Amino acid sequence: DAGITQSPRHKVTETGTPVTLRCHQTENHRYMYWYRQDPGHGLRLIHYSYGVKDTDKGEVSDGYSVSRSKTEDFLLTLESATSSQTSVYFCAIRTELVETQYFGPGTRLLVL
Amino acid sequence: GESVGLHLPTLSVQEGDNSIINCAYSNSASDYFIWYKQESGKGPQFIIDIRSNMDKRQGQRVTVLLNKTVKHLSLQIAATQPGDSAVYFCAEISAEYGNKLVFGAGTILRVKS
Repeated sequence: DAGITQSPRHKVTETGTPVTLRCHQTENHRYMYWYRQDPGHGLRLIHYSYGVKDTDKGEVSDGYSVSRSKTEDFLLTLESATSSQTSVYFCAIRTELVETQYFGPGTRLLVL
Repeated sequence: GESVGLHLPTLSVQEGDNSIINCAYSNSASDYFIWYKQESGKGPQFIIDIRSNMDKRQGQRVTVLLNKTVKHLSLQIAATQPGDSAVYFCAEISAEYGNKLVFGAGTILRVKS
């Protein structure tokens, strides 16, 4: 998984609670991404980061926020989880030189 | 495992046969393409990539073909093995998408022993 870990790997939470997912990389890559994967929609970009404290929105950013206070960690926060945010969340990294993204193992989130 | 495979096209092949997985991409300005493999319960895994100035690229047991005229990408897997069973995604990048990856829906490959 290209030195990428995600935590937690599984989480069950209730509607309205805040949830934070963590992506950690060991190789100091500049670019990091958060995706969600749902049946019928494939992988969709939520937010991405191009450096410490530099982030931008993807196509499905509503209801999510991110933070990157250090190179190795990229956090995804659901401020108030909803059932529509039940999904599998993947973090990815990209090197400076090529556009290929490498994915972490994923976090399965269930919002009841 | 995950239910990412719901409603996806499925290709069933016999072990040892060659597999061809197809992908139609949307943007004629896309200049970089990637194939990923995703096994149940895991993240997408990079297989092979190709730039738009190439028609063909070969890896170990895999070949990617790009036909820009009809915006078509294919992944050929030689001597398919049970371990090749997975969902396969193509992805494209173009400046029009802000150089972000745009993924296809995926194809399920099932290998029969």
